[in-house]
Amino acid sequence: SYELTQPPSVSVSPGQTARITCSGDALPKQYAYWYQQKPGQAPVLVIYKDSERPSGIPERFSGSSSGTTVTLTISGVQAEDEADYYCQSADSSATYQVFGGGTKLTVL
Amino acid sequence: QVQLQESGPGLVKPSETLSLTCTVSGGSISSYYWSWIRQPPGKGLEWIGYIYYSGSTNYNPSLKSRVTISVDTSKNQFSLKLSSVTAADTAVYYCARGVLLWFGEKLIYYMDVWGKGTTVTVSS
Repeated sequence: SYELTQPPSVSVSPGQTARITCSGDALPKQYAYWYQQKPGQAPVLVIYKDSERPSGIPERFSGSSSGTTVTLTISGVQAEDEADYYCQSADSSATYQVFGGGTKLTVL
Repeated sequence: QVQLQESGPGLVKPSETLSLTCTVSGGSISSYYWSWIRQPPGKGLEWIGYIYYSGSTNYNPSLKSRVTISVDTSKNQFSLKLSSVTAADTAVYYCARGVLLWFGEKLIYYMDVWGKGTTVTVSS
């Protein structure tokens, strides 16, 4: 079965830039999406179609894609950005959807 | 503003069938894909499947043999049934609205509105 791989944790100081990666063999063929989940809350979509930002999501959130890796970048990290982040994409045939294992972002 | 609300039993016995309903308010269930996602305690998200308002479905291969998702457009609701449950099915279950488009040869599919989730425990 298809898998997306994320680092378990990323730590940054306030004001710095956080980069969270997601790797998968099908990512050159399929778009990726990113969700933010705070404790006890439902996930919130922060990036769609690799790099598009939904309305209401701060400009400090951006996404990029290169080969088999997609990256969520949070510029000027704020304390409120501390959360779990999940990537989502499809297998190479677009048959089913998969989530990455999640990355816990800690703001020091 | 579209809102989703999950409902159903919070406790299910092993080997029985888990049944949940998601009620869509503030918008029509037509023209979107409606999804179920779950999250075991302390773990990550797992996509279960989706249904189009017309009734076509797509399921996670790892759960396909046990999952049925249905839609009732007259009630603006869609439902999840998961059979032969075990303790491994204990999780928070979320319903979500999905957007699905084709952009050239690439599939676009993401979930832009989520319910708050409901906890289901499998235990005797």
